[in-house]
Amino acid sequence: GAGVSQSPSNKVTEKGKDVELRCDPISGHTALYWYRQSLGQGLEFLIYFQGNSAPDKSGLPSDRFSAERTGGSVSTLTIQRTQQEDSAVYLCASSYSPATDTQYFGPGTRLTVL
Amino acid sequence: QQQVKQSPQSLIVQKGGISIINCAYENTAFDYFPWYQQFPGKGPALLIAIRPDVSEKKEGRFTISFNKSAKQFSLHIMDSQPGDSATYFCAARMKTSGSRLTFGEGTQLTVNP
Repeated sequence: GAGVSQSPSNKVTEKGKDVELRCDPISGHTALYWYRQSLGQGLEFLIYFQGNSAPDKSGLPSDRFSAERTGGSVSTLTIQRTQQEDSAVYLCASSYSPATDTQYFGPGTRLTVL
Repeated sequence: QQQVKQSPQSLIVQKGGISIINCAYENTAFDYFPWYQQFPGKGPALLIAIRPDVSEKKEGRFTISFNKSAKQFSLHIMDSQPGDSATYFCAARMKTSGSRLTFGEGTQLTVNP
């Protein structure tokens, strides 16, 4: 079946602009995660959605970052007033449930802020 | 706070050799320890994982060794192949934190032919 998909694959924007990154999880997966991977770094947790529960936003680095998940499926990560330090690969992952061990990752969106 | 430390940052191995990557964690509440493999331009993919109630898990050429008392775990790649050249991440998970993964910094493995 189809894996996790993300769009766009690459995004170049100017400092101060807003960007939206999209994630389509695997069908039927209730848990969805966003991570950020900066150059040469490990993955940093950003936000977690589980079903209709309130999201765990504890990893968001500033109030310029927000995310939503509509209908328990597609998720959008929005970064307002982008800064150069926001440049990174943004990865989305999904799992069947939080209790399920395996998180399946999408290919990521590479964001470059000029 | 870095809760999972990974070493080395980079590793070069000859074809047929053994690649060893080490990780150490701090939080004893972690209950699941996966290793992910990432090729350039791709998302990480689960390679192998272990729970703290076992000391070793083997899948083909890949083995995880787990030392609960030392809070360390390692990935061994036997008979390393050029196709194994990738970045490897260890991670740890706490179910009580929504199953988010805490990742190590990554190891870039190069296997020379």
